[in-house]
Amino acid sequence: AQTVTQSQPEMSVQEAETVTLSCTYDTSESDYYLFWYKQPPSRQMILVIRQEAYKQQNATENRFSVNFQKAAKSFSLKISDSQLGDAAMYFCAYRSANNNNDMRFGAGTRLTVKP
Amino acid sequence: ETGVTQSPTHLIKTRGQQVTLRCSSQSGHNTVSWYQQALGQGPQFIFQYYREEENGRGNFPPRFSGLQFPNYSSELNVNALELDDSALYLCASRQRQNTGELFFGEGSRLTVL
Repeated sequence: AQTVTQSQPEMSVQEAETVTLSCTYDTSESDYYLFWYKQPPSRQMILVIRQEAYKQQNATENRFSVNFQKAAKSFSLKISDSQLGDAAMYFCAYRSANNNNDMRFGAGTRLTVKP
Repeated sequence: ETGVTQSPTHLIKTRGQQVTLRCSSQSGHNTVSWYQQALGQGPQFIFQYYREEENGRGNFPPRFSGLQFPNYSSELNVNALELDDSALYLCASRQRQNTGELFFGEGSRLTVL
């Protein structure tokens, strides 16, 4: 079974600085998707960034980028120029390319941004 | 484009009661899934519906059941509520053939006393 591990329950970053959130996963499949979701106190899960496993190039969305290491099964999120609005729970998630498969989430990392 | 909407946002039940949570999927989405998120944890997959049939289920007992309607909206029903059922219940939708991303509602916070 696929599992997702986030080893950092909490992280803190100074405003305007850079922070990296870690995620590892376990799978025997070759075709899958990886995601980082943000969950602010409003509770709604918001997609931050997505990576298709067949793509070697790391995904980037404005201040957010990932370091995808397929062989190591690692998928870290880098947030540059951190803003107060980035404070939230961040969840790493895995989903098989099989349409019937569910999305597996890690336990989350609580990010605090200090002014 | 209308996003995923869930109701109610909060509710309190007592042990042994039954509850129904509702979800309207995002416009154009035909697949709906439900997740349970206990406090301080990541979401756990309950089940998924496509074309009004359940086509995937997580490790949840049969007292967790669901429905999907022709307009792709969905219900989650939980019978014989237990204290451990207290959680945030998230509904997510997607178009079946897409890049895997799920679109989430704001959830229904269930408290069982």
